[in-house]
Amino acid sequence: KNQVEQSPQSLIILEGKNCTLQCNYTVSPFSNLRWYKQDTGRGPVSLTIMTFSENTKSNGRYTATLDADTKQSSLHITASQLSDSASYICVVSGGISSGSARQLTFGSGTQLTVLP
Amino acid sequence: IAGITQAPTSQILAAGRRMTLRCTQDMRHNAMYWYRQDLGLGLRLIHYSNTAGTTGKGEVPDGYSVSRANTDDFPLTLASAVPSQTSVYFCASSDPVGLGRESTDTQYFGPGTRLTVL
Repeated sequence: KNQVEQSPQSLIILEGKNCTLQCNYTVSPFSNLRWYKQDTGRGPVSLTIMTFSENTKSNGRYTATLDADTKQSSLHITASQLSDSASYICVVSGGISSGSARQLTFGSGTQLTVLP
Repeated sequence: IAGITQAPTSQILAAGRRMTLRCTQDMRHNAMYWYRQDLGLGLRLIHYSNTAGTTGKGEVPDGYSVSRANTDDFPLTLASAVPSQTSVYFCASSDPVGLGRESTDTQYFGPGTRLTVL
């Protein structure tokens, strides 16, 4: 069964500090991996997307890495800000079957709280 | 309208009642989706539509139905609501790019509908 496991489940850090969120997956065949940010009471918003041929991608203070061999990804946040407080969701896309939805498997998210 | 909208924002519903959640997008995306999000669980796909006129079942379709009469609208109907359908419902749309392992199709999510079934 396709699964995406995220750790930690929750994390509290002080403003200005760095942090790293982890994502392990068993989705096969692998197509791409996305990290989404979901603010409280809002829908998820895409931060980064990586295909199997990419191993790192940055979006401002967010840097995502992908190791397709070990099936692991991480999201590193640099110099955290209060506005980074949110749930971060790892989403893995599997192979596409004709006539069906793209097979997305969602992690349950890491709840990040940044304190002043 | 800019992006994807959902209505209502929240709703409290008596068990056994019929309810339709509305979703509209103005990005002319071909694909649309309905998810439910429950505490401690990842988003789970209820139904999807690859193009107008077609729909398909996701991971948790029981008790829900959808229609896709045009590109912009994708309503989700609960024919007879039950308490286990209490959840936050997200609609999303995407325009798939590429094929196979190099395909990318970022999904754009609406703000969600918080539904409580008593």
